[in-house]
Amino acid sequence: NAGVTQTPKFRILKIGQSMTLQCTQDMNHNYMYWYRQDPGMGLKLIYYSVGAGITDKGEVPNGYNVSRSTTEDFPLRLELAAPSQTSVYFCASTPGRVNYGYTFGSGTRLTVV
Amino acid sequence: AQSVAQPEDQVNVAEGNPLTVKCTYSVSGNPYLFWYVQYPNRGLQFLLKYITGDNLVKGSYGFEAEFNKSQTSFHLKKPSALVSDSALYFCAVSPGGYNKLIFGAGTRLAVHP
Repeated sequence: NAGVTQTPKFRILKIGQSMTLQCTQDMNHNYMYWYRQDPGMGLKLIYYSVGAGITDKGEVPNGYNVSRSTTEDFPLRLELAAPSQTSVYFCASTPGRVNYGYTFGSGTRLTVV
Repeated sequence: AQSVAQPEDQVNVAEGNPLTVKCTYSVSGNPYLFWYVQYPNRGLQFLLKYITGDNLVKGSYGFEAEFNKSQTSFHLKKPSALVSDSALYFCAVSPGGYNKLIFGAGTRLAVHP
């Protein structure tokens, strides 16, 4: 099993550009999450999904959008990139409602210049 | 507000000495507690968890953690540190076990030869 796969690993964007961060899991997990990691700030939840077709906002959703058309995929969309979105982004998944812990992807390091 | 605190930004320890990385939490309901480790340029890896039962839980790489309900703490410990243990450690909690993880800010562990 590949687990949780994120692409790309690195990306530099110019202010105002758009991009999609891809996240795919092959464990048939219903719950998926997007976090951003800023130095000294831990992980902040951006969006999450409890199943295909269902998404909800986390702590810091502004400037981002998500969709969940399949169980496997949970892409994160940045529409108008801003320097404040420079961060490392992690996707994670867990099987169901009872939280026995997440499986994380390896992350996407995004720089907005 | 529900939160997780890791009071030390960095912990320094000599190889072979015992180590402790501290974590306290403030959540409603019975918490599910987790420790994750992050090596440079990698995603978060699961170390151990407390769900119920024995307050001392053992995890990967010789790490263990002690749940203390009265002090609302879940400190990570290892009897003898290795240089290869040097990494960023995150404490996380799921309030009541049915909710998404709340992460601490992380503690950088540096083990010196």
